[in-house]
Amino acid sequence: DVKVTQSSRYLVKRTGEKVFLECVQDMDHENMFWYRQDPGLGLRLIYFSYDVKMKEKGDIPEGYSVSREKKERFSLILESASTNQTSMYLCASSSPPNPNTGELFFGEGSRLTVL
Amino acid sequence: LAKTTQPISMDSYEGQEVNITCSHNNIATNDYITWYQQFPSQGPRFIIQGYKTKVTNEVASLFIPADRKSSTLSLPRVSLSDTAVYYCLVGDSSYKLIFGSGTRLLVRP
Repeated sequence: DVKVTQSSRYLVKRTGEKVFLECVQDMDHENMFWYRQDPGLGLRLIYFSYDVKMKEKGDIPEGYSVSREKKERFSLILESASTNQTSMYLCASSSPPNPNTGELFFGEGSRLTVL
Repeated sequence: LAKTTQPISMDSYEGQEVNITCSHNNIATNDYITWYQQFPSQGPRFIIQGYKTKVTNEVASLFIPADRKSSTLSLPRVSLSDTAVYYCLVGDSSYKLIFGSGTRLLVRP
């Protein structure tokens, strides 16, 4: 069974802390994505990666960075967490070069609370 | 990228057929139409994808008229476990898929 695993389901951090959210997929997918989901706003794309060491900004990259050193792992980094980054973070992966003709596989999400 | 418009919420009863329509007036020639389902505290799950006419799988059917400016997700004989949020996405070769707020479907006993 295909699987996208996010390291933490729930995290509580303090303002100014550096936060790492890890995502691992076991499907040998080229593409990986980080979204955040907030009530009433749907899912918004933060960053995506189409290959190792490659990254592209999504719609809301401010305050975030990413790292993809290995094909199966895509990390989201909050350099200095702020309260407005309290959200549900979702990682996804897909295989074809064109993800719009393929399926996105999502992890179960990481709910981050920044105090 | 084409924007989509879908109802905020829908109610149904167990055993009924549910049709959720999505409007995408600015759909481009290369765009595909994809639907996802999301349960609380879980990531979205792919349901179905189509380009034109009708697509059917074991879970749902997708109807796309000739002008492709709208699409309808059809869920046959829904059960309580179909209560979820349903997202309609439209996209071409871009990596930037847009998830809107979705349609919140409530299935009642």
